[in-house]
Order: sequence, then C-alpha cells, then structure tokens
Amino acid sequence: EPEVTQTPSHQVTQMGQEVILRCVPISNHLYFYWYRQILGQKVEFLVSFYNNEISEKSEIFDDQFSVERPDGSNFTLKIRSTKLEDSAMYFCASRLDSTDTQYFGPGTRLTVL
Amino acid sequence: KNQVEQSPQSLIILEGKNCTLQCNYTVSPFSNLRWYKQDTGRGPVSLTIMTFSENTKSNGRYTATLDADTKQSSLHITASQLSDSASYICVVSRETGANNLFFGTGTRLTVIP
Repeated sequence: EPEVTQTPSHQVTQMGQEVILRCVPISNHLYFYWYRQILGQKVEFLVSFYNNEISEKSEIFDDQFSVERPDGSNFTLKIRSTKLEDSAMYFCASRLDSTDTQYFGPGTRLTVL
Repeated sequence: KNQVEQSPQSLIILEGKNCTLQCNYTVSPFSNLRWYKQDTGRGPVSLTIMTFSENTKSNGRYTATLDADTKQSSLHITASQLSDSASYICVVSRETGANNLFFGTGTRLTVIP
C-alpha cells in the first residue's frame, strides 16, 4: 500500500541553524500539508500546498518557514533560523482530492539545542 | 471558535476489556469526523470517517458513533488488545478551506495484560 515517507526520522540542530525536512507524498496525490506536534500537545496545522503554491497557512507559519515541491515528488519544509520552540514532531500529509482522507507520514522529530 | 475536545485525557484498561472514548466539537460548518490512531513516535492513521448523515460506523473492533445535533462522537473499542495502546485523536473537518482539519488533544489509551 502506498504511504507517505519522511526523512530524516530525527534531526538535531543548533539554534539559529537552517533545517530542511523532506517528505515524499503518495504519488498521485495533489494536496500536501505540513503539521507539527509539540510533545504532549495536539497536532497543529502549519501549511497546505496545492497546484504548486501555498493555499493556506497558519499563524505559526511565519517568515522563517517555507515549503517547496522542487521536483514533482518531494515536498520540503525549510526552517531558516531554528528556535528552541521549533522542537517538535513534524508530520507531512497528502491526499488525492479535497474530499479524501489525509494520509500522514511517520514524522520527523526535530530537536533544537 | 472551532474546537475539538476529547475525554478522558488518558485511560488504562485490562486486556480484553472494552472502552469508550469521547469527542465534543464546535467546528462549523461540519463536514465529517475522523478518528485517528497514533502510535508513539508515529504519524496518525485513520480508523473511521463519519459524515453528517451517519450515526454509527464500525471497523473491526472499533465502532464510532456520531450525534451531529449534540456535536458529540464516541469511539468504542471492543475486546482490547495490547496493540491498541496508542493515542486516539478525534479530527473534525470543516466544509470550506484548504486547512479544514481540527485536531483534538487525543486520549492516551494503555492496555495492560
């Protein structure tokens, strides 16, 4: 069964450094999402992406964040200058169309020191 | 304000016993409600999806109910197994908007032998 994959599974970085989290959505899906989950808290929406552009973003998704779909298969989340409070699990999700279930990847645990 | 509340926050049950998890929501306009299972350190996996017109839906040992009038849902797990230990997240979709998922904080279920 097709699934969403994410790399790396765990990323440790120093505060102020740039990180890129990578996701490979399910191949025929058209809608892509990034979520984060701070330890012990609920999953929070960051950004949605459709037709090669951001369709919606939350207030968390400030100028330090950017997304890209560089080659038609990967979907990346970049954090330009990480802060301690960026430490969280980051989940990528994709779905076929606007009525479909979102399928989540296994997540990347980001630890900012 | 669009919110999803779940109870209890955590639950410990003996293997083989049944349990019921609750979800109340204020998301409007309502499209559908999903229950996800999230194993520790993994992405959420969809268990059931319920639309406005559905009252009950089963998926193996999982049975979800929905009362769209009172905006309440429950997830009943029958004959629990050790592998049921996970967080169960209620996720409500709104009809409009690309970011149309609202997550509850989840119920942490622990099944002990």
